[in-house]
Amino acid sequence: SQTIHQWPATLVQPVGSPLSLECTVEGTSNPNLYWYRQAAGRGLQLLFYSVGIGQISSEVPQNLSASRPQDRQFILSSKKLLLSDSGFYLCAWRGTGDGYTFGSGTRLTVV
Amino acid sequence: QQQVKQSPQSLIVQKGGISIINCAYENTAFDYFPWYQQFPGKGPALLIAIRPDVSEKKEGRFTISFNKSAKQFSLHIMDSQPGDSATYFCALARGGYNKLIFGAGTRLAVHP
Repeated sequence: SQTIHQWPATLVQPVGSPLSLECTVEGTSNPNLYWYRQAAGRGLQLLFYSVGIGQISSEVPQNLSASRPQDRQFILSSKKLLLSDSGFYLCAWRGTGDGYTFGSGTRLTVV
Repeated sequence: QQQVKQSPQSLIVQKGGISIINCAYENTAFDYFPWYQQFPGKGPALLIAIRPDVSEKKEGRFTISFNKSAKQFSLHIMDSQPGDSATYFCALARGGYNKLIFGAGTRLAVHP
């Protein structure tokens, strides 16, 4: 069966520090992978998506970047965090079916 | 540009009542309309989805009604239960899509 792993679950980082969030998928190959951000009480904002290794599409210009070094690994990064980067970050994958499967999310607080 | 408008933002329903959440879209090229359910601190999970070749789809207490001409679709939760209290998101996409576009979400509270 397919599973998606996302870590860490919570993270508190100071302004100006770097960020690396990792997402891995098991039980599938060549999935579409996605990073979403959800601000408190808000909807889901698509940040990046990837249809294959090294292929990254950015949806919103911002302080973040994404990379896909392996087929089932998707990484969200920042060189210097801003207060506005706080939020709930969700990784998702889509295989051959229609639906997305989301990870359990990372709650990032920038202080 | 907001491509899908979801309402209401929040909803309070008594146990046993019907919860109704609506979404309206603009682009007629969309052909996949799912609803996601999210509990606090968790990722959203696919609840039910519909394609425009049917006007209604029912799964248990959850029903999607689809009005292609009005470019609207809605989620109906029959016999709402406290365990249904969550945030619900509508979404849409085009066939063979690479990304889903989500509505802003509706926070549902079902009171006992």
